Amino acid sequence: KQEVTQIPAALSVPEGENLVLNCSFTDSAIYNLQWFRQDPGKGLTSLLLIQSSQREQTSGRLNASLDKSSGRSTLYIAASQPGDSATYLCAVTSGGYQKVTFGTGTKLQVIP
Amino acid sequence: NAGVTQTPKFRILKIGQSMTLQCTQDMNHNYMYWYRQDPGMGLKLIYYSVGAGITDKGEVPNGYNVSRSTTEDFPLRLELAAPSQTSVYFCASSYDQGNSPLHFGNGTRLTVT
Repeated sequence: KQEVTQIPAALSVPEGENLVLNCSFTDSAIYNLQWFRQDPGKGLTSLLLIQSSQREQTSGRLNASLDKSSGRSTLYIAASQPGDSATYLCAVTSGGYQKVTFGTGTKLQVIP
Repeated sequence: NAGVTQTPKFRILKIGQSMTLQCTQDMNHNYMYWYRQDPGMGLKLIYYSVGAGITDKGEVPNGYNVSRSTTEDFPLRLELAAPSQTSVYFCASSYDQGNSPLHFGNGTRLTVT
């Protein structure tokens, strides 16, 4: 059974800092990994999707890497801003039915 | 472009009542999903659909039912509401199952008392 873990559960950083969010998964036979952002009272917004054949994806100040062999992904946020404050979730697609398994998220606070 | 739209945003039910959570998408996606999100837990899949007329159970289907008569709509029915169904419910859709991102609605916050 696939399990997805995100540590830490919460993170507080000063504005301008570069930061890394971590995601680990137990079954390396994945189709893809997605990073989402969730604002309070809102749905999830897809930030980046990395296919199993890829090592990383970039979008603006965000860079996500994938190491299938070690079961890890990182989301790098450069020059953090208060508007980056949100909960970040990762999710992996795996298994015969291509099930999506979510982590419980890292709640990020960027302090001005 | 509206994306995925869920109604209502909030609802309070008494134990034993029934209701339907509405979900519609305008992206012509074949794949649609219903998740519930509980505090401290990851999202759990309730039901999913790979196209009109086709639905299947996810991890936590008990107490729920779905239908998919059109590509756009995927309503979730709660029969005989129980306090354990207090949660935030999210509908999502995707172009295909393994290669494209999930698009989420803004959720329905349901309280059963």
